[in-house]
This record gives sequence, structure tokens and C-alpha cells, in this order.
Amino acid sequence: AQSVTQPDIHITVSEGASLELRCNYSYGATPYLFWYVQSPGQGLQLLLKYFSGDTLVQGIKGFEAEFKRSQSSFNLRKPSVHWSDAAEYFCAVGVGGYQKVTFGTGTKLQVIP
Amino acid sequence: GAVVSQHPSRVICKSGTSVKIECRSLDFQATTMFWYRQFPKQSLMLMATSNEGSKATYEQGVEKDKFLINHASLTLSTLTVTSAHPEDSSFYICSAPLGGSRINEQYFGPGTRLTVT
Repeated sequence: AQSVTQPDIHITVSEGASLELRCNYSYGATPYLFWYVQSPGQGLQLLLKYFSGDTLVQGIKGFEAEFKRSQSSFNLRKPSVHWSDAAEYFCAVGVGGYQKVTFGTGTKLQVIP
Repeated sequence: GAVVSQHPSRVICKSGTSVKIECRSLDFQATTMFWYRQFPKQSLMLMATSNEGSKATYEQGVEKDKFLINHASLTLSTLTVTSAHPEDSSFYICSAPLGGSRINEQYFGPGTRLTVT
């Protein structure tokens, strides 16, 4: 079965600083990979997804993620964090041909002035 | 973009009663919907897959008689927590994917906070 690991439970960055959230997955073949953001009182919103093709994917709100097969990773990055980016971020993996996805435990991002 | 709604957003009920949570896809049809449960400071745990016109598929360890799922139409799935107990208090989230049976991004509802007293 597939699994997702987000090693950082909580990250604090200064506004304007760069951000990288780590995600590692475990699956025998190429998975479908997602990053979602959850803000308080709001539903999960898809930031970006990787299905195939270019391993560097661009998402909404200035986020990008890079799929590295050799490292089984799909890290999320943003060059300059805004205070509104404070939220919880979930990496997720889906198995091909099937809609079920498995979520990581999430990384809570705090942005300080 | 696609919108999924949930109702109610918050509910408090007494132990032993049943609570129904609705999940609606507002601008698209969803033959499949998913129900998740999220504990505080934890990830989303898939509870079951709701299939329009057929029985739901439950994940291992989820009591199907306790969490009744009905997917009566292409835009509505309901989760009924029967004989609720305080340990059922949680945040319940539904999602619906676009793209039919092919894997695709899912659209999530805003969640329902259930508190059982």
C-alpha cells in the first residue's frame, strides 16, 4: 500500500523568506502526487498536482513542487512566503486508475512578521 | 472551479442520538464521493467511498453499521453517524473527484465539526 511521510510537523518562517515543505512517498510505481492546503474554517484546496511529464510543476499562489523519483520525494516550495500562506499543508498520493488518495500527516506553517 | 458543500458545518448532539451530514457537489455530478475523518492535529483518514446507486465501500476498521452512507443521487451523499458517542466527535470531510473513474483532483467540502456530549 502507498504511504506518505511529511517529516516536519510544524515550520516557522519569516514573511518574505523562502519555503520548502518536505514530502516523501512510498509506492512501487509512479504515483499521482498532490499538495493541498487547509486554512482554518475552510476546506482543503488543491495547490498543485503531478501526474506525468515535467517533474517541476507550478501551482496556484506561487507554489511549485518537484517530483524526484530517485528520492521518492515531492517537495513543495515557494520563493517568498506571505503572511496569508499560514495554514496546514498536506501532501497526498494516489494510485493510478483509482480515486483513493492517502494523505500525509500535514505540516503546519507559521509565518512571522 | 468545482464546489462541494457540506451541511451542517457544526453540530452538537447528545450521546446515543444519530446525526446526518450531507455532502453535495454543486456544479458537477459525482458518481463517487469520499468521506474522511480528521482528528485534531492529525491527517485525514479515509473512512469510506460512497458510490451512487450502490453500496459504499468502507476502509478497514470503519464500522459500516455505525457510519451509514447513502449516495442517493449524482450530487448528494449523506453520512449518518448512528448512536453517536463522545469518541465519534471529530471533523468529517467529504470530497468528490472530477473525471469519472479516472484519478483526478478531488474537491473538498468545508467539513462538519461533530461534537457528541
